Amino acid sequence: DAGVTQSPTHLIKTRGQQVTLRCSPISGHKSVSWYQQVLGQGPQFIFQYYEKEERGRGNFPDRFSARQFPNYSSELNVNALLLGDSALYLCASSLAGTGRTEQYFGPGTRLTVT
Amino acid sequence: GQQLNQSPQSMFIQEGEDVSMNCTSSSIFNTWLWYKQEPGEGPVLLIALYKAGELTSNGRLTAQFGITRKDSFLNISASIPSDVGIYFCAGPLAGGTSYGKLTFGQGTILTVHP
Repeated sequence: DAGVTQSPTHLIKTRGQQVTLRCSPISGHKSVSWYQQVLGQGPQFIFQYYEKEERGRGNFPDRFSARQFPNYSSELNVNALLLGDSALYLCASSLAGTGRTEQYFGPGTRLTVT
Repeated sequence: GQQLNQSPQSMFIQEGEDVSMNCTSSSIFNTWLWYKQEPGEGPVLLIALYKAGELTSNGRLTAQFGITRKDSFLNISASIPSDVGIYFCAGPLAGGTSYGKLTFGQGTILTVHP
């Protein structure tokens, strides 16, 4: 079975632009979470979506938004990009509702803001 | 907020040596997860722990859920060059349906010399 997939792999944007990142979870997983990982740090939680509803939000500005589609895939949008938004954006999926916390990560999208 | 502190920050070892690393928190966690991340890739789940005192193995890897619920340990026996990477501990953030929201340690960088 395919794991979590993300697109694009790499992206270069200019300050002030907007970006959309995409994620497809493991088949059967209904929960998708997004994380930001800057160089030298562990991933930081941005959003969690389950059954198309936002179930959690980390300490990120309103420029960050996301949604989940009926097929459980998800998009992360970032508006008015800043240099500090340069990072690896990770998507993770999990079997929600089982009481287990295991999350499986995709390869990430490397965003560079110039 | 909840923070996970990993030690050591980095390790340089010879192939064949055993490795130990740990993760501590000021808060109680009900789940501990250990991930490995290689350059350009997303974190890969190694071991999940759900009960205080639990000891779980995955090949040459062994992890333990501390009795106090505030720490966890990961051991790698007979290290090989492919063990190189960054090892992260993670646990669910408190509140609500926490299964989709993880907080991560800052990672332990492992280098194995052949």
